[in-house]
This record gives sequence, structure tokens and C-alpha cells, in this order.
Amino acid sequence: QQQVKQSPQSLIVQKGGISIINCAYENTAFDYFPWYQQFPGKGPALLIAIRPDVSEKKEGRFTISFNKSAKQFSLHIMDSQPGDSATYFCAATIETSGSRLTFGEGTQLTVNP
Amino acid sequence: DARVTQTPRHKVTEMGQEVTMRCQPILGHNTVFWYRQTMMQGLELLAYFRNRAPLDDSGMPKDRFSAEMPDATLATLKIQPSEPRDSAVYFCASGSLLGPFHEQYFGPGTRLTVT
Repeated sequence: QQQVKQSPQSLIVQKGGISIINCAYENTAFDYFPWYQQFPGKGPALLIAIRPDVSEKKEGRFTISFNKSAKQFSLHIMDSQPGDSATYFCAATIETSGSRLTFGEGTQLTVNP
Repeated sequence: DARVTQTPRHKVTEMGQEVTMRCQPILGHNTVFWYRQTMMQGLELLAYFRNRAPLDDSGMPKDRFSAEMPDATLATLKIQPSEPRDSAVYFCASGSLLGPFHEQYFGPGTRLTVT
């Protein structure tokens, strides 16, 4: 019930391409879905987040798509740049109850120049 | 600028030794989280505190791990005795009830190696 499954484990994209990372969850009580970005030697940092009352949220080159019926959400990075190379984690939580973040397994993204 | 600080950044120790990791949350934040990150298990929540009181430590092996917040500016995670399987990066994160709960600000981590 508390799991969040993330794929792919690793992703290589050419500069300028679109990076797509997918996550699926089981617990229908989850109501907040953040994505974190982690660079080597650093802690994760909040990148973008979405609530299930909208199907898409865009911030610059980063877009989250959300499919409530399928219990899936994905991160799209448009015009991917070498500086986007990092590990990306999706997460989920029940916001109103203040519960813990449940993280996906992470995706290591490499953007080749 | 406000950030979570963690010490030490790196720690190498022998099996059986006590390890203490420290975290200074962002000033004014009242929620502190401890995470462990490994290649095999990813990011695991070990424990978290609100207003210095432990809310949940179910992710922590109780026999050897302990977490405390002696004051609002210091959180500690202790392992005694340490084992090679404890080798990981330990992150502290802080957040504020005044903001969304999910906005957790992570520190740079303590990389622990137990030989």
C-alpha cells in the first residue's frame, strides 16, 4: 500500500531531447506527489510537485503529468541539458495527515552533450 | 543563506564502534527527518521529530540506532555498535509546519563506511 514504483532505473538522453521518468503508486490516499533532484554528493532537492486535482503542472522545462485513474505520474524534462544529469526521485505522501514521504527507487539521468 | 548542516561529512569506522551523526536544521524549522540512502534500498526514512518530540522511528533498527533532539538546533543519530551493513549516506532534512509538510530541505549527508 505504501510503495511507489519508479522506472527506468537509468536513462541516457541526448542534449535537446525529452527525458521521461515514470512512477506508479498503490495507496489511493496519497494526495501530494513531489519530485526530487539529487546531484552527486548532495542531498535531494525539491524540483516540482503536483496534487491529484490537476492532470499536469509545468515549471520551465519540467512538467509533471498525472493520471489518477491509472495511479501513475511522470516527469518530463524538455530540451534536456547536460546540467540536468542527476538522480531523480518521485515521492508521495498524504499531505493532510502529515505522514512521511514515500520515495521511488530513483532514476539516474545522463544527458550527453 | 539558510541550509541544513550535517557533521561529519565522512566517517570511516571499524565494526563495533559507536558512531554519532549531527544535524543542524534550518532555523525556525520544527520538523526533522533522518534518512538513509543505499544503492540497494534507495532512500529510507529512519525517524522524524516534530517540535523535538519523536513522531515515528519505525524505520530504525531499535537495537542499535537511536535518534534524539536535545534542543531545537541539534538532532543526533547514533549507531552503537556499528556494523558493515550500516554503511550508507545518512541525510537529515528539516521542514516547517508553517509551510507544506512535504517541503523537506535536505542536508549534504554523512557518508558512513563501517569496515
